Amino acid sequence: QKEVEQDPGPLSVPEGAIVSLNCTYSNSAFQYFMWYRQYSRKGPELLMYTYSSGNKEDGRFTAQVDKSSKYISLFIRDSQPSDSATYLCAMSPAGNNRKLIWGLGTSLAVNP
Amino acid sequence: GAVVSQHPSWVICKSGTSVKIECRSLDFQATTMFWYRQFPKQSLMLMATSNEGSKATYEQGVEKDKFLINHASLTLSTLTVTSAHPEDSSFYICSAHSTSGASYNEQFFGPGTRLTVL
Repeated sequence: QKEVEQDPGPLSVPEGAIVSLNCTYSNSAFQYFMWYRQYSRKGPELLMYTYSSGNKEDGRFTAQVDKSSKYISLFIRDSQPSDSATYLCAMSPAGNNRKLIWGLGTSLAVNP
Repeated sequence: GAVVSQHPSWVICKSGTSVKIECRSLDFQATTMFWYRQFPKQSLMLMATSNEGSKATYEQGVEKDKFLINHASLTLSTLTVTSAHPEDSSFYICSAHSTSGASYNEQFFGPGTRLTVL
């Protein structure tokens, strides 16, 4: 079993839809949870960053962490064609080891 | 803020030659940088962790003599692919770990370098 599981999709939605992206993990030591967006042939861009459990909102994006279920989510409201990209979850434990454990990434297409 | 650059963005080389890729943190200091490679439609694969002033830590299965990493300053790390072969063709991405202010514990990624070995 991989430490981080993420459905690679692809996911195709109409413009304006609410998108839900998810990852599950097995290592209870993970404390830092990140969502990155990657456009084709570009480096990943940090979207949301959460420490421990809870919700975090930034504009149209909401990140949720449920440590009891080892489940994290990213919601995108009023999705736009410009949101079409691959979304990767990443996480790491607390402490000095900053190595990120990555999900496979979910490919999202928002159709106008 | 928190900008990471990579150079070159795209390189084509002949088999057997060596290629150096630079990763710079432009507006912050990074004691730790990470080097990844990514194949098409796959996730990032961590190759090594580069620590300023010390030897890099390589992931299992990554040849340290083939992928030479140097982190000589707090803003620059280099990856040299020695004696490159077509199977080394990939997208190489670096990231820099910020240890200051609101960016604590975040990694910021460079735009990537596409290497094609003929």
